[in-house]
Amino acid sequence: DAGVTQSPTHLIKTRGQHVTLRCSPISGHKSVSWYQQVLGQGPQFIFQYYEKEERGRGNFPDRFSARQFPNYSSELNVNALLLGDSALYLCASSLAGGPTNTGELFFGEGSRLTVL
Amino acid sequence: AQKVTQAQTEISVVEKEDVTLDCVYETRDTTYYLFWYKQPPSGELVFLIRRNSFDEQNEISGRYSWNFQKSTSSFNFTITASQVVDSAVYFCALRGYSTLTFGKGTMLLVSP
Repeated sequence: DAGVTQSPTHLIKTRGQHVTLRCSPISGHKSVSWYQQVLGQGPQFIFQYYEKEERGRGNFPDRFSARQFPNYSSELNVNALLLGDSALYLCASSLAGGPTNTGELFFGEGSRLTVL
Repeated sequence: AQKVTQAQTEISVVEKEDVTLDCVYETRDTTYYLFWYKQPPSGELVFLIRRNSFDEQNEISGRYSWNFQKSTSSFNFTITASQVVDSAVYFCALRGYSTLTFGKGTMLLVSP
């Protein structure tokens, strides 16, 4: 069975540009969460979507947005990129939703974004 | 606010040594869940264990064992007879009534 898949795996952008990252959850999973992992740090929560609705949002600026599609895949968009947005962006899927969901999260291998 | 502290930034051991990774947490929530994840160089976070705040029973899974002590707010992870394949970054995480909070991770290097 396919796990959580993310694309692209690596990308390089310049300051001020926009980026879209994509995630396909495990088949049957209806919840997708996005995390940002800066080098040397633990992942930080950005968004969670469940049944196409935003169920949680972390402490990130409005330049970050996301959405979930009817097939439960998701996109993370970041506008007006800053050097500090360089990070590994991880997507995780789970069966249940809600910010207090304590179920197991299954992570993808991430999209590594470099902003020059 | 929730906080997870992994004081050990990096640990180096020789194969077959036992190693313990420390995790201390802070939360005001009465019900919470603790997790350990492994992150190999590929980047994917691999789930290892979930423990709820009402279950202080220690758990053993093969060479892995976990010691949860509510009195000291600690959830330590021990690898017995470490192997080179155990080399990775290990994250402790906490979820209460808010979202999942990760520690900064401990990099474990196991040399042959």
